[in-house]
Amino acid sequence: AQSVTQPDIHITVSEGASLELRCNYSYGATPYLFWYVQSPGQGLQLLLKYFSGDTLVQGIKGFEAEFKRSQSSFNLRKPSVHWSDAAEYFCAVGARNTGFQKLVFGTGTRLLVSP
Amino acid sequence: KAGVTQTPRYLIKTRGQQVTLSCSPISGHRSVSWYQQTPGQGLQFLFEYFSETQRNKGNFPGRFSGRQFSNSRSEMNVSTLELGDSALYLCASSHEGGPDTQYFGPGTRLTVL
Repeated sequence: AQSVTQPDIHITVSEGASLELRCNYSYGATPYLFWYVQSPGQGLQLLLKYFSGDTLVQGIKGFEAEFKRSQSSFNLRKPSVHWSDAAEYFCAVGARNTGFQKLVFGTGTRLLVSP
Repeated sequence: KAGVTQTPRYLIKTRGQQVTLSCSPISGHRSVSWYQQTPGQGLQFLFEYFSETQRNKGNFPGRFSGRQFSNSRSEMNVSTLELGDSALYLCASSHEGGPDTQYFGPGTRLTVL
C-alpha cells in the first residue's frame, strides 16, 4: 500500500524567506501526487498536482513542486513566503491500483511565518 | 461554478445517537469521496461514490455508511456514535472517476459528547 511521509511537523520561516516542505512517498508505480493547504477551520485547497510529464509543476500562490522518482520525493517550494502562507500543508498520493480517488495523506506540516 | 458544499457545518451529538452529513459536489462532478480528519489519525479515506455506486472503501467499521443520489449529492451516516467519531468530515468531488483532482468542501465538524 502506498504511504506518504512529511518529516517536518512544524516549520517556522521568516517572511520573505524561501520555503521547502518535504514529502516522500512509497509506491511501486507512478503515483499521482498532490499538495493541499488547509487554513484553520477550513477545508483543503489544492496548490498543485503531478500526474505525468514535466517533473517541475507550478501551482497557485507562487508555489512549485518537483517530482523526483529516484528519491521518491515531491517537495513543495516557494521563493518568498508571505504571512498569509501560514497554514497546514498536506502532501497526498493517489494510485491506479487502489482507486484514483482514494488519496493517502501525509500527517501535514504546519507552517509558521515570523515577521 | 459553486464549490463543494457541506451541511451542516457543525454538529453536536451524544454517544449512541446517529448522524447524517450531506455533501453537494461541484456541478457536473460525478465522483464524491469522504474523509475523516482527526488530530490523532490525520486525514483518512472513508469511501467514494461514483454514479450512485460505492466504488472504494477505507478501513472503517460498518457504522459508517454512505450513499449517492442521481444528482450526485451524497450523504454519509454514522450510527451508534462513539466519542472517537468526533472529527472534521470532509467531502471531495471530482469530475471523472480516473486520475483527477479532488476539490474539497469546508467540512462538517462533528462533536460527540
